[in-house]
Amino acid sequence: SAVISQKPSRDICQRGTSLTIQCQVDSQVTMMFWYRQQPGQSLTLIATANQGSEATYESGFVIDKFPISRPNLTFSTLTVSNMSPEDSSIYLCSVRGWLGETQYFGPGTRLLVL
Amino acid sequence: AQTVTQSQPEMSVQEAETVTLSCTYDTSESNYYLFWYKQPPSRQMILVIRQEAYKQQNATENRFSVNFQKAAKSFSLKISDSQLGDTAMYFCAFMKDNAGNMLTFGGGTRLMVKP
Repeated sequence: SAVISQKPSRDICQRGTSLTIQCQVDSQVTMMFWYRQQPGQSLTLIATANQGSEATYESGFVIDKFPISRPNLTFSTLTVSNMSPEDSSIYLCSVRGWLGETQYFGPGTRLLVL
Repeated sequence: AQTVTQSQPEMSVQEAETVTLSCTYDTSESNYYLFWYKQPPSRQMILVIRQEAYKQQNATENRFSVNFQKAAKSFSLKISDSQLGDTAMYFCAFMKDNAGNMLTFGGGTRLMVKP
């Protein structure tokens, strides 16, 4: 399985500011995804991070609010822009390996917006 | 669109006993994958077990096994000899057999293993 790290592991931010979350994988992967887990809830896909092209966003999520970069096959960033308390969540990066049969998750970034 | 339903928000089991977590899903796809993920208090999502829909044999991983009923669209997880470390949220998830497809998660079941 892939080893995935995320930075930061947690942060407390003021409303109106932005935070960029990094996801690093120890091997090249085909697909990278960003999920949000609101308090007490299940996981919801924000977007698929595409290498060399614009991310593919799910309904309810827009690029202006959650810009994503993926400069290579092992790294991606998610920015949470102009934050409000409703953005307080855990943000998780996941990857799908070359065989395409399984997704593995990073440890998550716990964000609290005051 | 796919949907995944976990009808048991919370469950508890005595240590060393067996517990079964339920999951149903709805899809028109014929080929897909089903997963159970565990999320302990650390919030790390850990893959517990995976089932390919084209395989009739139920997947097993040590103390964890599934009962996959494709016609009924049911995918339950059985945990045998429950341990205190099994205390966690358990999520059932669905993934289409197609490159680029994401996971669709159920609402989760909170499992408490009691000593």
